[in-house]
Amino acid sequence: DIQMTQSPSSLSASVGDRVTITCRASQSITSHLNWYQQKPGKAPELLIYAASSLESGVPSRFSGSGSGTDFTLTISSLHPEDIATYYCQQSYSTPYTFGQGTKLEIK
Amino acid sequence: QVQLVQSGAEVKKPGASVKVSCKASGYNFNSNDINWVRQATGQGLEWMGWMNPNSGNTGYAQKFQGRVTMTRNTSISTAYMELSSLRSEDTAIYYCARGRSSSGWYGLDYWGQGILVAVSS
Repeated sequence: DIQMTQSPSSLSASVGDRVTITCRASQSITSHLNWYQQKPGKAPELLIYAASSLESGVPSRFSGSGSGTDFTLTISSLHPEDIATYYCQQSYSTPYTFGQGTKLEIK
Repeated sequence: QVQLVQSGAEVKKPGASVKVSCKASGYNFNSNDINWVRQATGQGLEWMGWMNPNSGNTGYAQKFQGRVTMTRNTSISTAYMELSSLRSEDTAIYYCARGRSSSGWYGLDYWGQGILVAVSS
């Protein structure tokens, strides 16, 4: 199975900050990487697919980059409603494993 | 609009089985896989497997092989996930999610609201 490792596990930032979350795969997954946002008590939502494509309806302050084994999710200017846990997921091969999550809090 | 509506919470005893449902609407049910993902309380997301509603083909994570069965009833656009030999560690919220593929990419673009399955003696 491909292991996905996110860092940091938790993050505290101020409104307006630029926030970066990283995700590393245990082997190359080319660009088969998705990012999801999960707010407390809610189902996850797709944010970024194919490493860098923004899902329809997602604010443009979210962006993704990377290929191979190293990927990043960036929020260019943190909004209060971005408080959530973020997960990466590889869709290169089954099982489609997730990272352990990054919990983002407001400072 | 695309919706996946899941059945209600379940409480089961260890060793029992549970079968949960996921009713799709707003799109052609046969056109997209249904995936199942679970999340234990306070924990991360765990992918369990997928099912193609058109063919009935399935693929399961090795961890669940032999215990999980994913099926569908296309006449009512509903997918099912049955998990057997339940143990306390299976207590979790179970989500169904629609798979979308394009140009070799695959992701989960719509999710059900989740079902709590609690396993307790």
